[in-house]
Amino acid sequence: AQSVTQPDIHITVSEGASLELRCNYSYGATPYLFWYVQSPGQGLQLLLKYFSGDTLVQGIKGFEAEFKRSQSSFNLRKPSVHWSDAAEYFCAVGGGATNKLIFGTGTLLAVQP
Amino acid sequence: KAGVTQTPRYLIKTRGQQVTLSCSPISGHRSVSWYQQTPGQGLQFLFEYFSETQRNKGNFPGRFSGRQFSNSRSEMNVSTLELGDSALYLCASSPLSPEGSPLHFGNGTRLTVT
Repeated sequence: AQSVTQPDIHITVSEGASLELRCNYSYGATPYLFWYVQSPGQGLQLLLKYFSGDTLVQGIKGFEAEFKRSQSSFNLRKPSVHWSDAAEYFCAVGGGATNKLIFGTGTLLAVQP
Repeated sequence: KAGVTQTPRYLIKTRGQQVTLSCSPISGHRSVSWYQQTPGQGLQFLFEYFSETQRNKGNFPGRFSGRQFSNSRSEMNVSTLELGDSALYLCASSPLSPEGSPLHFGNGTRLTVT
């Protein structure tokens, strides 16, 4: 079955601390992987994507993610969190000739001053 | 370029009524997808349209339908509204080539069914 698991529902970090959000997926074919961020009352903004090639991908706002096929993981990282990073983060998987994405349940990030 | 535009932003309907939501994709994008977001079920795929044809459909009842026009604008319709249809409905567009093209989302339409 195709699925995405984000094991952390809620994470709190201090401003300036590093961040890692976990994402594990199950997908039968070659996956395309995405991280999106959603602020309250807003739509989803794409942070980064992985299609193929280099397994470490860079995104906007200083985020990066590493694709590990052996672990079926695509964890999101940021070396130093800013207060404006407080939002909900979604990992998603898709593939093939379709724009159907399967989303994880999201991780709500709170940033302490 | 203007982003994906969804109208209206907020909608309040009564159980049993029907509703139509509108989505204007980014200029040049021919694929439009719809997603439902609720606290309980999260983000769920409704359907995808490409060049006026439904290319994929999620696991929703037939009360949920959609269409795409020749200018790529899309509408989705929900008939016989139920309380459980209260959700944020997100539209997303992507370019011509579907292989791994990232989706660009609008800000959504918040539907409340009373």
